[in-house]
Amino acid sequence: AQSVSQHNHHVILSEAASLELGCNYSYGGTVNLFWYVQYPGQHLQLLLKYFSGDPLVKGIKGFEAEFIKSKFSFNLRKPSVQWSDTAEYFCAVIPFHTGGFKTIFGAGTRLFVKA
Amino acid sequence: NAGVTQTPKFRVLKTGQSMTLLCAQDMNHEYMYWYRQDPGMGLRLIHYSVGEGTTAKGEVPDGYNVSRLKKQNFLLGLESAAPSQTSVYFCASSYSPVHNQPQHFGDGTRLSIL
Repeated sequence: AQSVSQHNHHVILSEAASLELGCNYSYGGTVNLFWYVQYPGQHLQLLLKYFSGDPLVKGIKGFEAEFIKSKFSFNLRKPSVQWSDTAEYFCAVIPFHTGGFKTIFGAGTRLFVKA
Repeated sequence: NAGVTQTPKFRVLKTGQSMTLLCAQDMNHEYMYWYRQDPGMGLRLIHYSVGEGTTAKGEVPDGYNVSRLKKQNFLLGLESAAPSQTSVYFCASSYSPVHNQPQHFGDGTRLSIL
């Protein structure tokens, strides 16, 4: 089945550690890619998005993601995490072959940053 | 800016009861969506709408109905609530997902079915 896979369900890091969250999707053809973040008790907010062009995308709060088409991946990175980055992170894909109406979300990765 | 507003924020129902969740957006977005969020499963699309008067089924539509009589409102109905529908429900809206527009989410409705 076509899907969006986030490899790590829970990640625990100390402050200043580097972060990489994996995301792979199984849709062929053109896709739009997103990372959303959900802070405790809040709604989802956009971190960054990729549509075309430079495969290295920079988002808010020092996050970046790299689109590797050959690997169907869109991994999220941050060089040095802070306690305030504790949240759940969702990778999301809009496959164009569905008409572009549906966003498919991964199951999410819960990040806990120890102060 | 209000953005996407969901009402109510919390609700407890008994099995078999009905209710309607309201989503309102003030951004003139064409597309609106209802998701449910369950632990370990991320967000799953229930129904969506690509414009006033239109609705379509998403990934998990069974047990739910929707209506989009006005562009700014998208209603999610549970005709006969079941414990399996205990979840957090999020509404979202966007201009046009095809053109790389992100979705704007509401604060969610936490629904418990006893």
